[in-house]
Formats: sequence, structure tokens, C-alpha cells
Amino acid sequence: GNSVTQMEGPVTLSEEAFLTINCTYTATGYPSLFWYVQYPGEGLQLLLKATKADDKGSNKGFEATYRKETTSFHLEKGSVQVSDSAVYFCAYNTDKLIFGTGTRLQVFP
Amino acid sequence: SQTIHQWPATLVQPVGSPLSLECTVEGTSNPNLYWYRQAAGRGLQLLFYSVGIGQISSEVPQNLSASRPQDRQFILSSKKLLLSDSGFYLCAWSVLGVPEKLFFGSGTQLSVL
Repeated sequence: GNSVTQMEGPVTLSEEAFLTINCTYTATGYPSLFWYVQYPGEGLQLLLKATKADDKGSNKGFEATYRKETTSFHLEKGSVQVSDSAVYFCAYNTDKLIFGTGTRLQVFP
Repeated sequence: SQTIHQWPATLVQPVGSPLSLECTVEGTSNPNLYWYRQAAGRGLQLLFYSVGIGQISSEVPQNLSASRPQDRQFILSSKKLLLSDSGFYLCAWSVLGVPEKLFFGSGTQLSVL
């Protein structure tokens, strides 16, 4: 069936380190792909999205590229900050959004 | 601007007791409304969604039900809570036809003891 799988956390990094959070999907057709972020004490918010193969979504220094050949949408950031500490959710949609299990990122100064 | 209100923020209930979580949206009309549950290690699970008053779609069989008595009000209920109902419940809304642009409430942490 359709699903999205992301790497388990927590991911612990020092400030200015490079971040990768893996996400792969299994879906029929060509779904749109998303990354959502949940900061401590806040609700979920859309971070970035890509709607077709080879699209790159970007926001706040984060990037993710829709790779049809590897069915992946890995989240990357070149230099993380303490304020990036949050839970990140990969998601895809057909007519509804389906989320992965979330990956907690902890960034220490 | 649009806002979404969800309450209570935390709730501790005994097994077998009823549940009512309420969610209201302001600043928009005819939104799609959703209830999600975030259980530990299982990510976000879509429980119910609604495209209009009185129209509820259930995604998974469970001990819960949802109702939409007004355009911008979405209620999650249970007649008798189970231990397995514990989790973090999120209400969300989206514009009709744009399901990926979800706006989430701040959530309710439910502990069933």
C-alpha cells in the first residue's frame, strides 16, 4: 500500500553541522511530497513541498528534491541552528495527506 | 486572518469515560476539517476528515467518532475511552481543493489511565 518512511530519531547535531533526514515513499502515481515541522509547543506547519519529479522545495535554508528514480524526498540543510530543533514530518498526498512517523532533531550550541 | 482553536491542551481521563474534543476555525468559510492522532512511534494518523457540515469520512476503524455540527466546528468524541486511545490529537483545516496546505491546531495530549 501507499506509505512514507522516514529515518528514526532523534538526530543530534552541533550547531552549523550538515543535516540530512531521509524520507522514502511508496505510492501509486506521482504524489506531491512535503516536509512539515513542529516546533516545541506549537502546531505543525508546512516547511516545503515539491509537486513533481526533480522539483526542489526550499525554505528557511532547508531543501528537498523529489527523486522519482529513488522514490525519495530527503531533507537537507547545510548549517543547522539551535532554533531548528523540532520534529520533522515527511508527507505525501493524493487526495489526503499521509504522514511519516516524524524525526526529532536536537541541535546543541 | 485565519485561526484555529483546539481545546483542551491536556486531558487525563479514566478508562471507560466519555471524550469530547472541540476544534473551531475562524476567518474562513467551508474549510476541509481533519482530526489526526500522533501516537508515539507511529507518526501522524488521519482519523477523520470532513468536507462539509454533517459530512464525515472515517479513515480507520476505532473507538472514536467525529461530528461537524457547524461549518467551522469539528468535534471528536468517544462514548467509552480505551487505554489505546491515549495520544496527541491534532485538529487541522485546509482550503477546499488544496489539501496539502494544512493549518494545524496546537493539539490535545490525551492520557487514558
